[in-house]
Amino acid sequence: DTGVSQNPRHKITKRGQNVTFRCDPISEHNRLYWYRQTLGQGPEFLTYFQNEAQLEKSRLLSDRFSAERPKGSFSTLEIQRTEQGDSAMYLCASSLDPGVYNEQFFGPGTRLTVL
Amino acid sequence: AQSVTQLDSHVSVSEGTPVLLRCNYSSSYSPSLFWYVQHPNKGLQLLLKYTSAATLVKGINGFEAEFKKSETSFHLTKPSAHMSDAAEYFCVVSGRGTGGGNKLTFGTGTQLKVEL
Repeated sequence: DTGVSQNPRHKITKRGQNVTFRCDPISEHNRLYWYRQTLGQGPEFLTYFQNEAQLEKSRLLSDRFSAERPKGSFSTLEIQRTEQGDSAMYLCASSLDPGVYNEQFFGPGTRLTVL
Repeated sequence: AQSVTQLDSHVSVSEGTPVLLRCNYSSSYSPSLFWYVQHPNKGLQLLLKYTSAATLVKGINGFEAEFKKSETSFHLTKPSAHMSDAAEYFCVVSGRGTGGGNKLTFGTGTQLKVEL
């Protein structure tokens, strides 16, 4: 068990460009979550997958954002036409059991800077 | 809807003295509560979780938290701070999302500083 991994760890882009992040959850974890953390704030929920199905999206996830988990394993988060307000840490988490008490295991995050 | 309020954005203690990080929650039903720690350039790590089995919850690295329903609080404590405890701490409440998943709602965090 190597934990949740995310790539890249850092991404600097110019406004208007598209970016894509990848998350590899702990193997056999069927639930995968994306969160966004801005400076000085706690992480905020963006979206959630159970296997390959995207079951919930936050209102924070504008039309420029899209997430996929095509085979129920890794997931990608794409941001189109990036804006400076998209600058944040993007966190991925995974869990196995659907119980409300179950721990979500977090990756190290991808820090996005939009110039 | 559920939410958490962390009452202190920064806490500074001397090494070897007790730590108290305060958290109040709001929930329309019996909450699931967690404390996570975030060290610089590292992922969020679970310290402890409240599962309703016991009101006093023990976690890793000597931390514990007490669930007090009457005060809607879930404060994090440690008897003796260590330099390695310096980090950002998040109080978190879990709720069932519309898709059935467990959405975590984080507080704004408390930065713990430990001085010699």
